[in-house]
Amino acid sequence: AQSVTQLDSQVPVFEEAPVELRCNYSSSVSVYLFWYVQYPNQGLQLLLKYLSGSTLVKGINGFEAEFNKSQTSFHLRKPSVHISDTAEYFCAVTLPLGQNFVFGPGTRLSVLP
Amino acid sequence: ETGVTQSPTHLIKTRGQQVTLRCSSQSGHNTVSWYQQALGQGPQFIFQYYREEENGRGNFPPRFSGLQFPNYSSELNVNALELDDSALYLCASSLDSGSGNTIYFGEGSWLTVV
Repeated sequence: AQSVTQLDSQVPVFEEAPVELRCNYSSSVSVYLFWYVQYPNQGLQLLLKYLSGSTLVKGINGFEAEFNKSQTSFHLRKPSVHISDTAEYFCAVTLPLGQNFVFGPGTRLSVLP
Repeated sequence: ETGVTQSPTHLIKTRGQQVTLRCSSQSGHNTVSWYQQALGQGPQFIFQYYREEENGRGNFPPRFSGLQFPNYSSELNVNALELDDSALYLCASSLDSGSGNTIYFGEGSWLTVV
């Protein structure tokens, strides 16, 4: 079975500062990796995904993530955050032939003025 | 706007009652998945429907059941509601069931069981 850990439940950061949201996963087989964002009272929106190939993945809104197989990590980064980035961020994994996502518990990013 | 619409957006039910939640998938998408998101937690997979057949199920009891219609819209039914069923229920649609395909989430239905 797969599992996802997001060690930081809350991350406060000042506007225009860089941010890294950490994600580690556990799986005995290869997985696909995803980051989703959830704004207040909304559903989830895909930020980026890693299926194969280059380990550095660029997504929407200036976010990027790097897949590290040896450390089983898929950390999300943004060099300069905006107030509008305040949201809940979820890391998720799925098997290449799987039907479902396994989500982490989420990290609440709060961008302060 | 993902094109996935869910109804109702909010509802309150009493313990022991039954509830039906509805989802209209994005045009052309033949796969619908349902997730339960309790407050402060990540979504948990309930089940998936592909071309009107159940195509995978998470660790949820049989009182959680579903249906997919020929137009690929879907329903989630929960019988004998318990207080712990209070959560945001998310529907997601995709073109085919392969996990590499992008899935699109609706805004969810908030269920409160009292």
